[in-house]
Amino acid sequence: DVKVTQSSRYLVKRTGEKVFLECVQDMDHENMFWYRQDPGLGLRLIYFSYDVKMKEKGDIPEGYSVSREKKERFSLILESASTNQTSMYLCASSFASGGAGNEQFFGPGTRLTVL
Amino acid sequence: AQSVTQLDSQVPVFEEAPVELRCNYSSSVSVYLFWYVQYPNQGLQLLLKYLSGSTLVKGINGFEAEFNKSQTSFHLRKPSVHISDTAEYFCAVTGSGYNKLIFGAGTRLAVHP
Repeated sequence: DVKVTQSSRYLVKRTGEKVFLECVQDMDHENMFWYRQDPGLGLRLIYFSYDVKMKEKGDIPEGYSVSREKKERFSLILESASTNQTSMYLCASSFASGGAGNEQFFGPGTRLTVL
Repeated sequence: AQSVTQLDSQVPVFEEAPVELRCNYSSSVSVYLFWYVQYPNQGLQLLLKYLSGSTLVKGINGFEAEFNKSQTSFHLRKPSVHISDTAEYFCAVTGSGYNKLIFGAGTRLAVHP
């Protein structure tokens, strides 16, 4: 079974803190993604990575950065957390060969609250 | 630009009744279409996808969807729902050659006994 794990299910941080969200996949997938999920907005792509040290901005990258030093691990960083970043964050991964038709496998999500 | 509209934010239905969750998309390129399901407190999992070929696609848990190019729709159906189908359902689209999925806002299906 493909497994995508996220470091925390729930996280509470204060405004201005630096926040790290970690994601690990065990299927040797090339692609990894970070989304945020908000009620009524569905999932919106923050960043994705198609290889180690490679990244591309998604639709809402402002206020976020990412790091991919190893193939299996993709980190989302909030440099200075703000209350409007309170959300559910979902990580996903997929194979690259076969292109856009590949299934993305999702982690369970991290619910981040910024006070 | 691609976009996805899920026409119903909530769909209440009784157990064993049929259900249809509606999805329309817009795209200037050939598309791949997906339905994902999110059970409470879990991540998303793939129900089914359309890449090419037959416009009627069968997925897991008895769900199916029909790709209609002229109406730019990809509606999800199940002939008889169970309590366990209570979840949020997301329609998504991507273009050939792209890695990015564009998701709809989601439809919350509530199955009542």
